[in-house]
Amino acid sequence: EVQLVESGGGLVQPGGSLRLSCAASGFTFRSHWMHWVRQAPGRGLVWVSRINSDGSSTTYAASVKGRFTISRDNAKNTLYLQMNSLRAEDTAVYYCARESSTSSALDYWGQGTLGTVSS
Amino acid sequence: QSVLTQPPSVSGAPGQRVTISCTGSSSNIGAGYDVHWYQQLPGTAPKLLIYVNSNRPSGVPDRFSGSKSGTSASLAISGLQAEDEADYYCQSYDSSLSGWVFGGGTKLTVL
Repeated sequence: EVQLVESGGGLVQPGGSLRLSCAASGFTFRSHWMHWVRQAPGRGLVWVSRINSDGSSTTYAASVKGRFTISRDNAKNTLYLQMNSLRAEDTAVYYCARESSTSSALDYWGQGTLGTVSS
Repeated sequence: QSVLTQPPSVSGAPGQRVTISCTGSSSNIGAGYDVHWYQQLPGTAPKLLIYVNSNRPSGVPDRFSGSKSGTSASLAISGLQAEDEADYYCQSYDSSLSGWVFGGGTKLTVL
């Protein structure tokens, strides 16, 4: 069974940092591109970032570029999102999602972890 | 404001058919990029509902169908059931933004 379990969310002050993790199991992690998607309270889904299967290529939404870094450890089957210079508007539930091996669809999602940026 | 435009809400009575539109542009849907649809039940993570415009993952009822034409796509739900009440999102890739994009989401209410 495919499982994605996020952790690392919490309360942080503006300008601070958070590191999110996503532990993957039930599939060959190193074979899949992975994504982070966020959802502010009461709002819609917003794509944040993606990383290719070996970690050599990354892409970011304009709103987080230069502040967030996506990475992965294929030996540990874990995806990361390092978030720096956090702003109130970064407050959201952050989901990790697996990209399908046959299309650009996000075929499995974690349960999400809430990151709150507030003083 | 989302790159892909969806109606904020739709509604229908049990047993009826509803459609949800997703309008893009020449840099995303119109450029030939695939459209995928997700269902998000209240308080839960999104779930893939339709992939590559019109394909259903295993376990998704055939009451759900998708289509794509030009710069738009649509999700149709027939034989509405109470458990279909959820938020629905379309998603594609945008070459101008060099990234994945979602629609703003549509809240389906089953009357």
